[in-house]
Amino acid sequence: DAMVIQNPRYQVTQFGKPVTLSCSQTLNHNVMYWYQQKSSQAPKLLFHYYDKDFNNEADTPDNFQSRRPNTSFCFLDIRSPGLGDAAMYLCATSRDNPRRGSLEQYFGPGTRLTVT
Amino acid sequence: GQQLNQSPQSMFIQEGEDVSMNCTSSSIFNTWLWYKQDPGEGPVLLIALYKAGELTSNGRLTAQFGITRKDSFLNISASIPSDVGIYFCAPPLEYGNKLVFGAGTILRVKS
Repeated sequence: DAMVIQNPRYQVTQFGKPVTLSCSQTLNHNVMYWYQQKSSQAPKLLFHYYDKDFNNEADTPDNFQSRRPNTSFCFLDIRSPGLGDAAMYLCATSRDNPRRGSLEQYFGPGTRLTVT
Repeated sequence: GQQLNQSPQSMFIQEGEDVSMNCTSSSIFNTWLWYKQDPGEGPVLLIALYKAGELTSNGRLTAQFGITRKDSFLNISASIPSDVGIYFCAPPLEYGNKLVFGAGTILRVKS
């Protein structure tokens, strides 16, 4: 089945120690997104890639970076995690074209990040 | 910016009861999406609505796109324990590849 895969599902890192979260997709969608979700809140968009074009949200801290080496993979790098960065990180994809259904986003299962 | 009001914030219902939740907006949307998020998992798309007035069903779920294009509701009939989770409305912006999320409705079911 076509899907969005996130690894690992649970990640523990130390305060200030860089960490990378990964996402892969078999949907062949050209848009990939990273969201941060804190407890009992809606997902908050950090940035997205439209093909290779990176689109950062205005309020995303510089501590968060992303890479998309090819269509299938996208990475979230947190350069110096703080305690406030503990959250669920969600990857999503969408197929951007004029046909109906192009605005639907499909989410992965998420990575729960703990910062000690 | 777009303001979404999703209600109720939470519901605690008896198994077998019907559930209704809705989202209203200060702005017009051309698409409404409804997602469900199980604890510890990512949101899953339940229903997508593309036309004002459209009524769409997916099993026990029914959703409607309001005529004014500023609201949508989701109904769940004969609730079961696995309906537990957080339900989000998330209409997409017309441009910019972004979803506007409601605050979510937390559903708990007593069996």
